[in-house]
Amino acid sequence: EAQVTQNPRYLITVTGKKLTVTCSQNMNHEYMSWYRQDPGLGLRQIYYSMNVEVTDKGDVPEGYKVSRKEKRNFPLILESPSPNQTSLYFCASSKTTFQGTEAFFGQGTRLTVV
Amino acid sequence: AQSVTQPDIHITVSEGASLELRCNYSYGATPYLFWYVQSPGQGLQLLLKYFSGDTLVQGIKGFEAEFKRSQSSFNLRKPSVHWSDAAEYFCAVGVIGSARQLTFGSGTQLTVLP
Repeated sequence: EAQVTQNPRYLITVTGKKLTVTCSQNMNHEYMSWYRQDPGLGLRQIYYSMNVEVTDKGDVPEGYKVSRKEKRNFPLILESPSPNQTSLYFCASSKTTFQGTEAFFGQGTRLTVV
Repeated sequence: AQSVTQPDIHITVSEGASLELRCNYSYGATPYLFWYVQSPGQGLQLLLKYFSGDTLVQGIKGFEAEFKRSQSSFNLRKPSVHWSDAAEYFCAVGVIGSARQLTFGSGTQLTVLP
């Protein structure tokens, strides 16, 4: 089954404790991205990757890191999480970088930083 | 930069009633337009998309949307709402030449009354 898989689905952590949210897609997609969803703000892009070893900042990259060492994986790293990073996070992938390509989303990771 | 506005934060309709969700975009040319739906606890699923051609597009689950260039709008409609349509709906814009692929609106939460 074609899918984007995020882990974990739920995470509660403390301020400053490094964490990684994993994202994997099995569709051989070139483009992957991370979004955060906050009430009243919709989805805002954190980082995106157009292919292996090619990543760039989205609209809200501060406090986050990513890497794309393999085509299928695109982990999101919070080196020193803070409470303002409490949010719902989505990973998405698309077949190409063409702006009209459908994006496939993971089920989300709800992160709480206390 | 492109932007997307969904003026209605929350809409309530009775089951069987018609539905229209509003979406306005700001962009200098014709963008690629999408509607996504997010059911509780789920990721986003594509309902429909517009690239060019016929301005009335049909999607899944009985939804349709009409692109109106003069009004910079892409409103989503359904003739008869079902209880299972209760969800959050996002309009999104994809812009040619932008590597960031998608810009989302803030979402409209739909409640369906029995």
